[in-house]
Amino acid sequence: GNSVTQMEGPVTLSEEAFLTINCTYTATGYPSLFWYVQYPGEGLQLLLKATKADDKGSNKGFEATYRKETTSFHLEKGSVQVSDSAVYFCALRGGADGLTFGKGTHLIIQP
Amino acid sequence: NAGVTQTPKFQVLKTGQSMTLQCAQDMNHEYMSWYRQDPGMGLRLIHYSVGAGITDQGEVPNGYNVSRSTTEDFPLRLLSAAPSQTSVYFCASSYLAGGPTTGELFFGEGSRLTVL
Repeated sequence: GNSVTQMEGPVTLSEEAFLTINCTYTATGYPSLFWYVQYPGEGLQLLLKATKADDKGSNKGFEATYRKETTSFHLEKGSVQVSDSAVYFCALRGGADGLTFGKGTHLIIQP
Repeated sequence: NAGVTQTPKFQVLKTGQSMTLQCAQDMNHEYMSWYRQDPGMGLRLIHYSVGAGITDQGEVPNGYNVSRSTTEDFPLRLLSAAPSQTSVYFCASSYLAGGPTTGELFFGEGSRLTVL
């Protein structure tokens, strides 16, 4: 079956630091890949997505590239802000049943 | 735009009680689903539907029932609540095919359920 593995954290960084959150997946076929973000007390919001190999998704300074050869979709940001503190979920969708999520990475940005 | 609306936002039940979590979407999405979120477990799929009259089980369906009588609504029923069902529940919907948001799930704000 499908599965997603991501670093769980918490990950603590200083403001303006470089961020990488690793995500690898196992899936049959050619899934779509997603990063969702959850702020405290809220639901999940789509951060970015990629639907085929070598696609790069980007939004709000975050980027992730769909790497089929390494089955990875690592999230990066060049300079994080305190407002980026949240839980980040990597996910894949291979069919009509829905998304398979990683366990989430709690990111804490200190001023 | 309302998007995905869940009610109630908070609920406390006693073991053995029943209740229904409501979910409605106004985006004409074919696909609707329920997830539960537990610490250290991520989100796990409970049930899903690809259209009115069609439902299927996800990863953790035991103790939950669903039905889909209209495109807009997808209620989740707990027939006899147990403490293990204490969790945050999210409803989510999407298009199944066609358009730039295909595959992307849109989430409600969540329903926090405590079973004593």
